[in-house]
Amino acid sequence: DAKTTQPPSMDCAEGRAANLPCNHSTISGNEYVYWYRQIHSQGPQYIIHGLKNNETNEMASLIITEDRKSSTLILPHATLRDTAVYYCIVKTAGANNLFFGTGTRLTVIP
Amino acid sequence: NAGVTQTPKFRVLKTGQSMTLLCAQDMNHEYMYWYRQDPGMGLRLIHYSVGEGTTAKGEVPDGYNVSRLKKQNFLLGLESAAPSQTSVYFCASTPGYEQYFGPGTRLTVT
Repeated sequence: DAKTTQPPSMDCAEGRAANLPCNHSTISGNEYVYWYRQIHSQGPQYIIHGLKNNETNEMASLIITEDRKSSTLILPHATLRDTAVYYCIVKTAGANNLFFGTGTRLTVIP
Repeated sequence: NAGVTQTPKFRVLKTGQSMTLLCAQDMNHEYMYWYRQDPGMGLRLIHYSVGEGTTAKGEVPDGYNVSRLKKQNFLLGLESAAPSQTSVYFCASTPGYEQYFGPGTRLTVT
């Protein structure tokens, strides 16, 4: 599975959009981009995933560049409850392992 | 639906003692996983199961055994606990794409 690179930490003002970047320059054609988050001491929570098209659900939007070497997770209106560590993971559809790195610690500021 | 539940939530063991962690899911998922998370780190896969009666090794399987006798349950055993196994243990299940995580078991080995 391809490796990912994320900034270690980011701040975002409450009510503003949070844009979390992820670099996955070695991604292969059959690897999906997944995003999970982990609120302090809890189990990780699935957010969204995509292959090459942009995706949106009730939690977030995922923007994948045309060359698929990077992506951005967008939380449109960040709240204090969005403070968490966000993990960007790439994996093939049939693979069983999620390789969690150290993620980005997002702090939403009142 | 209770989702994914884990028993116990906390446990303290002495070196050399044994214990079993229980994971249960009521979503009829075929795939189940055990991860460990050390302080400041991402999750690492210990063992996984693709169906009742089957198990496979993950990234860090040494010192652990697992069993999947029933589809809804996945047990993680420590035969002779060591201080290096002090960690938070998360169980997860999936119907295919996204993984659903339990709340975790915090284990301390002294």
